[in-house]
Formats: sequence, C-alpha cells, structure tokens
Amino acid sequence: EVQLVQSGAEVKKPGESLKISCKGSGYSFTSYWIGWVRQMPGKGLEWMGIIYPGDSDTRYSPSFQGQVTISADKSISTAYLQWSSLKASDTAMYYCVRRPGLVIDYWGQGTLVTVSS
Amino acid sequence: DILMTQTPLSSPVTLGQPASISCRSSQSLVHSDGNTYLSWLQQRPGQPPRLLIYKISNRFSGVPDRFSGSGAGTDFTLKISRVEAEDVGVYYCMQATQFPDTFGQGTKLEIK
Repeated sequence: EVQLVQSGAEVKKPGESLKISCKGSGYSFTSYWIGWVRQMPGKGLEWMGIIYPGDSDTRYSPSFQGQVTISADKSISTAYLQWSSLKASDTAMYYCVRRPGLVIDYWGQGTLVTVSS
Repeated sequence: DILMTQTPLSSPVTLGQPASISCRSSQSLVHSDGNTYLSWLQQRPGQPPRLLIYKISNRFSGVPDRFSGSGAGTDFTLKISRVEAEDVGVYYCMQATQFPDTFGQGTKLEIK
C-alpha cells in the first residue's frame, strides 16, 4: 500500500527556521516525483514544487522559488520542505504528493504550520 | 501559468440527484505527448484531497462509478450521477500539462 506520512504540526515564531518531512512507503521512492502543495486557511490549493528523489532534480513554481527549499534523502525514503525564515503568511497546511508522470495520485495527511508571534 | 476556472463555486444538490461541475483552462491542456493532463480531486471536510479522475476521464482506484469526467482542449466537466451524503466536500480540477501545475479555485458541493 502506497503511503506518504508527514511530520506533525508545528508552531513557530516569525523569523524562525523549519523543516517538515514526508516519508514514502509501499513503492520505489526513488522512481516517482514528490511534490508539495500549500493550502492556506480556508483557501484553495497551490503547487509549490517537486523533486525526483532518484537524482534530486528539483523544480519550483515561480511563486515559491527562493522562498522554500525542497530536498530528499533517498536512503530513508523521505522528502523535505524547509524555510530559513518563516513569516506569518506561511501559516498553512502543507501536503506532500506522489507524482507519477503528470498525475498526482497519492497525498500525505498534511502538516499544519502555524507562524505567530 | 495556466489559469483554471471552475463553475459553479457552490452547488447545493438533493441526495440522489445528479451534479455537474465545469472547469475551463486559459489555454489548451493537450500535451505534446498527445495526452491531456486534467485531473479532478475531492477534498472532504477535514481531510486531504484525493484523486478521483485523471487524464480527463479515467477513474482512480477505488473511485465509485457514479463519478465521471469528460471534455477536451480547454473545457472539462465532472459529473456525479447520483449524489450521496459522503460526496459533500470541495472539488478541484487541476492541470499538469504545463509546469507549474495549477488548480481551479474549488467548487463546494453541499446537500440541500
């Protein structure tokens, strides 16, 4: 069974750094793109970027380029999304997704990030 | 970026009746490989989204056959033949033909 299990909810202050994770299981982690999607409170879905764990090829949506860093550690089948300096506007639910080709098929359960002073 | 526009934004439906959601893209979603990468997602309250339909009309594993997708080029439709209580939630279309992937604004399906 394909599963994407994300790390738990986080509460941070503006300016702090953060790295959240997404662990894949039930499939060959290095053979599928992993993407990240943001959902701000009460809002729709926004595509952030993707990484191919096999060779760490990474692509960012222009809206998120320079704002976040996507990485992966294929030895532990885990992808990451990180911020160096959080803002209140980063408060959102973040989902990791599996992307075989040009389809998103499986979603993680989401990680809620709250940034507040 | 390709803009995805859904109508309606809210759809009150009677149980057992059909429902239909439209999605229009700002440019053709036909990929150079000949496929059209238009998907439909369902997000039930308090849950992550899940894939219902991919490449316009292909139901994902475990999706009931009351859900169907159709369309071509820039105009697409999701139909639910007979709405059930578990279908309440927000439905999104999304395209992956051109990076970055983009989503429609969502259509809230509720029971009358």
